[in-house]
Formats: sequence, C-alpha cells, structure tokens
Amino acid sequence: RKEVEQDPGPFNVPEGATVAFNCTYSNSASQSFFWYRQDCRKEPKLLMSVYSSGNEDGRFTAQLNRASQYISLLIRDSKLSDSATYLCVVREDSSYKLIFGSGTRLLVRP
Amino acid sequence: GAVVSQHPSRVICKSGTSVKIECRSLDFQATTMFWYRQFPKQSLMLMATSNEGSKATYEQGVEKDKFLINHASLTLSTLTVTSAHPEDSSFYICSGGDGGTYEQYFGPGTRLTVT
Repeated sequence: RKEVEQDPGPFNVPEGATVAFNCTYSNSASQSFFWYRQDCRKEPKLLMSVYSSGNEDGRFTAQLNRASQYISLLIRDSKLSDSATYLCVVREDSSYKLIFGSGTRLLVRP
Repeated sequence: GAVVSQHPSRVICKSGTSVKIECRSLDFQATTMFWYRQFPKQSLMLMATSNEGSKATYEQGVEKDKFLINHASLTLSTLTVTSAHPEDSSFYICSGGDGGTYEQYFGPGTRLTVT
C-alpha cells in the first residue's frame, strides 16, 4: 500500500467550477500535512499547509481528518491558471522528510 | 522565499557516461539538502539526504555508489550519476532546508535523458 494515495485524475472542469481532491495516508503518526502544486516539468511549490481545524486561503480550502487519515483540498471558482498537478504531502515526524503522493491532475477548460 | 538553483536544467548523455548536477541555495545556508527523483506520472521519491560536511544518507533501494552526493558547503550540493543508463532518465530535483523550520525549498529540477 502506498504511504500517500491520491486519485490521479485528470479532473476536467469548466472555469468557475468547484473541484475537490482527496488524499489518504497510511501512517497514523504523521505530523504535518501539505498540498503542493506542480506544473508540467517544473518543481513542486507549496500551496498550503493543512491544519486539523481546517484552513482557507482565498479560493482554496484544506481539511484534515486524523481519525480517517484523510486530507482534502477544495478549489472554488476554478481559473484556467489552476490547471496543474496537486500533490498531497505528509511529513511523518519532527524532521525534514516529506512523503509525496503521486498527484491529482486538474484541467480547467474555458 | 528562499531560492534554490539547479544546473543544468536539462542534460542528454550517452549510456555509460557520468553526469553531475549542481544544486545551490542562493540566499540562505542550506544545512540539509535533499535529492529527489521523479519518473513520469509518478510521485517525487526521496533518494538521499545530506548534511553539510557529512556523508549522505540514502533511502532504501538507492545505490550510493551510483548516485554520488557531495555537500561540501552550506550553499552547494552535487549529485553525480555514474555510468548512467537509460533507466536513470528522470527528473531530478533538489531541495534545501535552512535548519530553522522544517520547510524545504525546491530547485527547478534537472531533466536527465540517457540515450
């Protein structure tokens, strides 16, 4: 079983749509959680951290359910520029080591 | 945010040759640097972690004699792929940590193609 699992997609949505991505992780001792965005042939870039209470950054909302070991990302009012691969990332303990999911691809069409 | 550069951004080499990739932290001191590899449509996989002045710690399944890592200064780490083969063709990404928070700052990646 993969340590971090994501639906690979692609999710093909029209501009303005709301889209949600899910992610599950296997290690219940995981400490920190993130969503990264990766454009084609580019490095991953931190989109937002995910907190137990849920957090929002503009059109992006992230949620964490520790009991279910489940993380979500909601994107409202999708823009063409949101087209990218979204990576669910987990840090297992108080160290630098990050575990990456394989990503969910989002395509926003005009 | 902190900036990490990689050089070259793209390299094509022949099977059997060695390739060196440089990773530099431009505006911070990277006490720890990480090397990742990403195959098409797959996740980033950590290859090794290196601390300045120490030997790198390799992840399980990564051959340390094939992927030589040097972290001789707080701003430079190098990855040398020795005797490269076509199956080593991949996107190699480095990142650096400044020893403060646990945040990693990623370089732009190097696309290696071995023919």
